[in-house]
Amino acid sequence: EPEVTQTPSHQVTQMGQEVILRCVPISNHLYFYWYRQILGQKVEFLVSFYNNEISEKSEIFDDQFSVERPDGSNFTLKIRSTKLEDSAMYFCASTRGGGTEAFFGQGTRLTVV
Amino acid sequence: AQTVTQSQPEMSVQEAETVTLSCTYDTSESDYYLFWYKQPPSRQMILVIRQEAYKQQNATENRFSVNFQKAAKSFSLKISDSQLGDAAMYFCAYRSPYLSNTGNQFYFGTGTSLTVIP
Repeated sequence: EPEVTQTPSHQVTQMGQEVILRCVPISNHLYFYWYRQILGQKVEFLVSFYNNEISEKSEIFDDQFSVERPDGSNFTLKIRSTKLEDSAMYFCASTRGGGTEAFFGQGTRLTVV
Repeated sequence: AQTVTQSQPEMSVQEAETVTLSCTYDTSESDYYLFWYKQPPSRQMILVIRQEAYKQQNATENRFSVNFQKAAKSFSLKISDSQLGDAAMYFCAYRSPYLSNTGNQFYFGTGTSLTVIP
């Protein structure tokens, strides 16, 4: 069964450093998302990506964040100048179409120290 | 923005019994999609069940079923014959259709933590 794959599963970084979280969505999917979940709290939307551009972004997704689909298969989230409050589980998701369910990756746990 | 509300932060159920998790949402749209996702301790989000708003029939998936009340904007999840493996956080989610001007993101509730008692 196809699945969304995220790497790394856990990343520890020092405050102020840049991190890149990687995702490989399901191959025939068209919509891609990044969500984050601070431990034990709600799932927060960051950004959606469709047709090689950002289709929506939340207030959280400011200039510190960027996304790319560099090679037609990978979907990356870059966080510049990380802050302690960026520590969270980051989920990538993809969907085949406008009304279908999202398939989530297993998440990347980001710890900023 | 759409809002999704789960008013039960925690629920518990005896093994083999039935439990119902509540979800309400707020929207002005007539067409949309609703989902229940399960998040076990491994943290991966797993789809449990999906409901299209234009369908009057409630969705079912084995031991999982929903009670979709469109007029009341309510979407509850019923788990029958609860098993230890059902213990997890359960999230209700809303999604607008493709052509909606409110976008195509998923809006999640705050989750209900379900404990299954042996």
